[in-house]
Amino acid sequence: NAGVTQTPKFRVLKTGQSMTLLCAQDMNHEYMYWYRQDPGMGLRLIHYSVGEGTTAKGEVPDGYNVSRLKKQNFLLGLESAAPSQTSVYFCASISRGKNTGELFFGEGSRLTVL
Amino acid sequence: GESVGLHLPTLSVQEGDNSIINCAYSNSASDYFIWYKQESGKGPQFIIDIRSNMDKRQGQRVTVLLNKTVKHLSLQIAATQPGDSAVYFCAESRIREKLTFGTGTRLTIIP
Repeated sequence: NAGVTQTPKFRVLKTGQSMTLLCAQDMNHEYMYWYRQDPGMGLRLIHYSVGEGTTAKGEVPDGYNVSRLKKQNFLLGLESAAPSQTSVYFCASISRGKNTGELFFGEGSRLTVL
Repeated sequence: GESVGLHLPTLSVQEGDNSIINCAYSNSASDYFIWYKQESGKGPQFIIDIRSNMDKRQGQRVTVLLNKTVKHLSLQIAATQPGDSAVYFCAESRIREKLTFGTGTRLTIIP
């Protein structure tokens, strides 16, 4: 049981380039999330999804887009990367039926924008 | 504004001693609180949670205390071990599907 898998784990981009981070979960969870983690800032929610085909904005959505075409996958896209998007990105998921905040996180994707 | 914050960014504790990590929240409407542990290079892991209708909950070597009067949350770790060294985050939820995380406290266990 792999849990939550993020790819790639590391990436370096130049300003203006685009890329997509992939999150895959094999736990049949309905809810999926993308967070970014910066030093001294904790985890901030970028976008989330409560089901296949639905997405919603979190607290820091600008500069990012997401898609949830399949229940097990949640993609985070950067159309035109900026140095301010240098961060560690975490994907997480949780079952809708579980009445707790026990999110399952991936190992993170470290992105550097030059 | 609404926030979840921690009193101290770092905490060092002698191995075997108890540690207490504190967290303040500002929104009295928050009804669910969670503690996560993040080891270096890994994603956060759930430790323990508590609902607003409780003031204490115990797990294995961990206890969470909730004081709604002063909007304060704490995580107590008993008999700390080297493996407890990590960053600890509190998080709060008002809407079922969204968590708001604090900035984290780095706990270092001194051998």
